[in-house]
Amino acid sequence: AQKVTQAQTEISVVEKEDVTLDCVYETRDTTYYLFWYKQPPSGELVFLIRRNSFDEQNEISGRYSWNFQKSTSSFNFTITASQVVDSAVYFCALSEANSGYALNFGKGTSLLVTP
Amino acid sequence: DTAVSQTPKYLVTQMGNDKSIKCEQNLGHDTMYWYKQDSKKFLKIMFSYNNKELIINETVPNRFSPKSPDKAHLNLHINSLELGDSAVYFCASSQDLAGGPGKTQYFGPGTRLLVL
Repeated sequence: AQKVTQAQTEISVVEKEDVTLDCVYETRDTTYYLFWYKQPPSGELVFLIRRNSFDEQNEISGRYSWNFQKSTSSFNFTITASQVVDSAVYFCALSEANSGYALNFGKGTSLLVTP
Repeated sequence: DTAVSQTPKYLVTQMGNDKSIKCEQNLGHDTMYWYKQDSKKFLKIMFSYNNKELIINETVPNRFSPKSPDKAHLNLHINSLELGDSAVYFCASSQDLAGGPGKTQYFGPGTRLLVL
């Protein structure tokens, strides 16, 4: 069963729009980690953020913000005032002790930002 | 300096051949991983090593054999390559710590394998 669900396969926005990428996860562990990675067209995987299960504080980094809610098992990612350079595939991932802390990835959301 | 490096970046080969992909990290991490990204961009763990010891071995054909000569290197050897092995293979590393930067995995640039 899929442990990380990214329901949005593709999103297309116009530059300067705000966009939210959804991520819902499933785990029985009390200690786990959540991640977002960016994969631009060049293909590398770029780490964006890590959240521990015991830290529900939201985080903002420039135009990026993350909303972690344990009550709904969600870890959503918002890009404010999107730019063309934000065009990429974004992956949400879960890391748990019972899987040796390997990353269990969602299927990714492909974001296209047009001028 | 590249933190996690992989060689080669591209690999084109014929079915039935044997090939290796090398991975090196200079971050001082003690855990290394191999992931496979298929044509639909789905990423899946294959193997994980901690201090040269195999930790994770997912349901991967035994034609795939990882080898870790030291904790900075994790190589992937593939025997008798098949068409379905065509994919992008990513190496990653992390530090095995509960807090701080621990558990965050940093990825290499990927090796694009095409089996003809």
